[in-house]
Amino acid sequence: EVQLLESGGGLVQPGGSLRLACEVSGFTFSTDAMSWVRQAPGKGLEWVSFIGGRGDGTYYADSVKGRFTIFRDISKNTLYLQMNSLRAEDTAIYYCATTGYTTTWYPFDYWGQGTVVTVSA
Amino acid sequence: DIQMTQSPSSLSASAGDRVTITCRASHNINNYLNWYRQKPGKAPELLIYASSTLQSGVPSRFSGSASGTDFALTISSLQPEDFATYYCHQSFDTPYTFGQGTKVEI
Repeated sequence: EVQLLESGGGLVQPGGSLRLACEVSGFTFSTDAMSWVRQAPGKGLEWVSFIGGRGDGTYYADSVKGRFTIFRDISKNTLYLQMNSLRAEDTAIYYCATTGYTTTWYPFDYWGQGTVVTVSA
Repeated sequence: DIQMTQSPSSLSASAGDRVTITCRASHNINNYLNWYRQKPGKAPELLIYASSTLQSGVPSRFSGSASGTDFALTISSLQPEDFATYYCHQSFDTPYTFGQGTKVEI
């Protein structure tokens, strides 16, 4: 059974940093693509970042490019999102999701439960 | 970037009703169109991918269709657990983009 468990969210001041983690189980993490998707309070879904299978290729939304970094530690079965220079508009629930695990059409097939990030003074 | 225009933003319906939600892509996305249901306070869940393929375990009352850059999600008979928010999403090209969402209310 595929399971994703996010952690690392919290309250941070504008300009601060936070590292989110997504521990995965139930699939071959080293070869599968993953994404981060966020949802601001009361708003819709926004894709944030993608990392390809085997770590080849990373992509970012313009809103986070240059501030966020996606990477994985295969030995720990964990996906990360390093978030620097945080802004109030980064306040959201952050979800990690498998991307194309069940099909090469690349939907977000499995999701974690989310971790809350609040950027406020 | 590919824009996804979803409509309506909300709708009211009753259990047993048939409802249809539409999504239009600003560019050709070769049917790389997915639909999700998000219940209040929960993570989204994948319903349909490739515009019309039902994800494993999803009830057959959900169906998807496509015509060019226009896509539709139909629920044939609303169940209590279907009162939720629905999103379309294109996975053709980054930046991946979502529709604005459709809230289905009683």
